[in-house]
Amino acid sequence: DSGVTQTPKHLITATGQRVTLRCSPRSGDLSVYWYQQSLDQGLQFLIQYYNGEERAKGNILERFSAQQFPDLHSELNLSSLELGDSALYFCASSVEGLGEETQYFGPGTRLLVL
Amino acid sequence: GESVGLHLPTLSVQEGDNSIINCAYSNSASDYFIWYKQESGKGPQFIIDIRSNMDKRQGQRVTVLLNKTVKHLSLQIAATQPGDSAVYFCAAQANQAGTALIFGKGTTLSVSS
Repeated sequence: DSGVTQTPKHLITATGQRVTLRCSPRSGDLSVYWYQQSLDQGLQFLIQYYNGEERAKGNILERFSAQQFPDLHSELNLSSLELGDSALYFCASSVEGLGEETQYFGPGTRLLVL
Repeated sequence: GESVGLHLPTLSVQEGDNSIINCAYSNSASDYFIWYKQESGKGPQFIIDIRSNMDKRQGQRVTVLLNKTVKHLSLQIAATQPGDSAVYFCAAQANQAGTALIFGKGTTLSVSS
């Protein structure tokens, strides 16, 4: 158990809908990362937050947004969902969100868009 | 952009054998590398990491070797056990490019007893 928690574990929804994925980092970690894992693209970095502020952005679609709250939990919002958004979404956390820090991953949310 | 790739998508070994999983990266500015293990239905689990100022690091039954000249790293698992069966990912980070980890596609390790 990495100490990172994610809810829900599974999510089934329809195209055009909006969903929110939630992540709580390990105790003491200030930085949260979101990754998407699909069969064809592998694990891809989406976005990083540090202590409530966006720190880095990766291949995140404009339909997707995230935020980190004062209690350090984070939410990833996915809107106008398409079939191709079906994937595993992982949250990871690290202490400072700087380079050369281990990122610890949560168990993921499996999203299925029908 | 940077890419990280694994040499073999699958590796099958017998219990007790040593396993070697190889990985290549493209960005010579990569300076931090992590190996993760992912079991079915779970998130990536940290195994071992190595910084670019090292060429070898050992953990419990695992060793990571880094060859910066040819931009290659490997994960060696000693006395492989059935519980080691999983998908293994290498990830690279170039500090100049931020903190995002660039992941390879993964090698599926199957251990038969």
